[in-house]
Amino acid sequence: DARVTQTPRHKVTEMGQEVTMRCQPILGHNTVFWYRQTMMQGLELLAYFRNRAPLDDSGMPKDRFSAEMPDATLATLKIQPSEPRDSAVYFCASGLGTGGLETQYFGPGTRLLVL
Amino acid sequence: DQQVKQNSPSLSVQEGRISILNCDYTNSMFDYFLWYKKYPAEGPTFLISISSIKDKNEDGRFTVFLNKSAKHLSLHIVPSQPGDSAVYFCSQGAQKLVFGQGTRLTINP
Repeated sequence: DARVTQTPRHKVTEMGQEVTMRCQPILGHNTVFWYRQTMMQGLELLAYFRNRAPLDDSGMPKDRFSAEMPDATLATLKIQPSEPRDSAVYFCASGLGTGGLETQYFGPGTRLLVL
Repeated sequence: DQQVKQNSPSLSVQEGRISILNCDYTNSMFDYFLWYKKYPAEGPTFLISISSIKDKNEDGRFTVFLNKSAKHLSLHIVPSQPGDSAVYFCSQGAQKLVFGQGTRLTINP
């Protein structure tokens, strides 16, 4: 049963600390998305990659957030320094991009709390 | 500007009855609308989609209706079952999706 995996599932940290979230997309998928879910904003797209190249990161605060795909099996989202307003659930999703409608498969999320 | 809005944060329906979840959008340029379902502590899962060239798509108990003139779509679940209790997100796009705020559906026995 192919699934998107995310680690860690939960993270509590103090303001100013670096946070790294990891995602393993479904094998064979060539598109990876990072979303953030908050009570106020709902689900918002932070960034996405196709074939490991960043296509859009316009939803991401550039000064503190960075997203990378070191290889096809790993995507990372880093926050440095973290702030209390970054507290949210971060979801990774993967899909098979063929140019048309692309079903996205979500991981279970990383619940981040910044104190 | 592309916006997707779900104006009802929550909905409560009796088991066996019809559940109707609503969604409004602002930008007609995008080709697809998708509904995702989310259980607590899990990621959203794809439920059903509709192309902008259609006005209805049905899959078992789930039907999505698209009213392009009103920029409105709705998801109908009939009959509603307790396992349908979840948060439902409406979204628009093809690869890059814009999501609504979600509607929490509770099915009462």
